[in-house]
Parts: sequence; C-alpha cells; structure tokens
Amino acid sequence: GAGVSQSPSNKVTEKGKDVELRCDPISGHTALYWYRQSLGQGLEFLIYFQGNSAPDKSGLPSDRFSAERTGGSVSTLTIQRTQQEDSAVYLCASSAQGALPSYEQYFGPGTRLTVT
Amino acid sequence: ILNVEQSPQSLHVQEGDSTNFTCSFPSSNFYALHWYRWETAKSPEALFVMTLNGDEKKKGRISATLNTKEGYSYLYIKGSQPEDSATYLCAPPLEEKLTFGTGTRLTIIP
Repeated sequence: GAGVSQSPSNKVTEKGKDVELRCDPISGHTALYWYRQSLGQGLEFLIYFQGNSAPDKSGLPSDRFSAERTGGSVSTLTIQRTQQEDSAVYLCASSAQGALPSYEQYFGPGTRLTVT
Repeated sequence: ILNVEQSPQSLHVQEGDSTNFTCSFPSSNFYALHWYRWETAKSPEALFVMTLNGDEKKKGRISATLNTKEGYSYLYIKGSQPEDSATYLCAPPLEEKLTFGTGTRLTIIP
C-alpha cells in the first residue's frame, strides 16, 4: 500500500514569507508526527497528533510554527515569516498505535526547506 | 531531559568486515528503544523496536541488543555491504515522543 507522502519535496522561499508543508499519512494510522533535521543536527521533534486528542506542540520552536490535521488524516505544517534558521528537512511520520512507544513509525520522504 | 548519545558519529568500514556501534540513553523510565536506518535521499526506515532488557533482535545481517539497566543498545552489522551505507539512528521514547540521537553515519568502502 501507499506509504507516507509529503509535498513539496523541495521548497525555496525568501526570508519573511510563509510556507505550508503537507503530509499524507498511511491510511488508518491514528498518530502523526512532524520532525525536522537541521544541518549537522539530529532529528528534532516538532509536534504530535493522536486521534482526536489535542496535539502535543511541545517541540515547536516558536509561535511562527503551527500545524493542523484535518479529519484525522492530512496534516499541514505552516511556518510564518520564515527565517534562515528554519532551513531544514521537515519529516512527517505516522504510526498505527501512536500512543504506545513500542510501535514503529513510518516516515515520509521529507520536504527540504531552504530560506534565502 | 532525555539525553541520547550515539557513537561513533561516523564510521568507515571495508566491505565484508563486521562492525558495531552504540546508543546510550538514561535507563530510568524506559519504555522501548527504536533503531532506524536513514539512507541518503530516502526516508528513515525502522529496523527494530526493542522493549525488554536482554532483548536481541535480528534482521538479516543486522542485529541489535538491549541493556535497559545500564542504558545502552548495540547495533551489529555482519559482513558489511555497500547497501549498508546509511545513518543509523536510535530513539528511546520520552513519553509519547521518540527522542532521536544524532546518529552514526556508516560508509562502506568497496
């Protein structure tokens, strides 16, 4: 079946512009995660959605970052007034049993964001 | 704060040789440990999810062990092949979130 998909695969934007990144999780997966990897850094947790529960936003680096998940499926990560330090690869992952840490996550191919 | 350390940061191994690397994590409040392989231009792919102290899992030439009391896991690759070149990430969960190490970048030299 289809895996996790993300769009766009690459995005170049000017500093100060807003961007939207999209994630389509695996059908039926209740949990959805956003991570990012900045140059030379590890994978950094951003936000987590589980079913209809309120999302865990504890990893969002600033109030310029927000995310939503519509209908328990597709998610959009929005970055407002982008800064150069926002340049990174943004990864989305979904999991069948997201609340339990013993279930593996399935990652999308990522969106490479470059802020000029 | 959960501190995950992986060593070495990078590794070059001759094709056919075996190798191993380490993931260290705080041993308190342990749930499970995930290992992922991340090849260049691809998505991270789950290798193992380990939950029990003393667990040993194997997938082909790759295996992993887990010691939850002392807080470490080893990943072993036997008879390295070029396709093993990737970054290997470990991730113990903090509550419901995986906390990733910075990874070990493995390069297999043909």
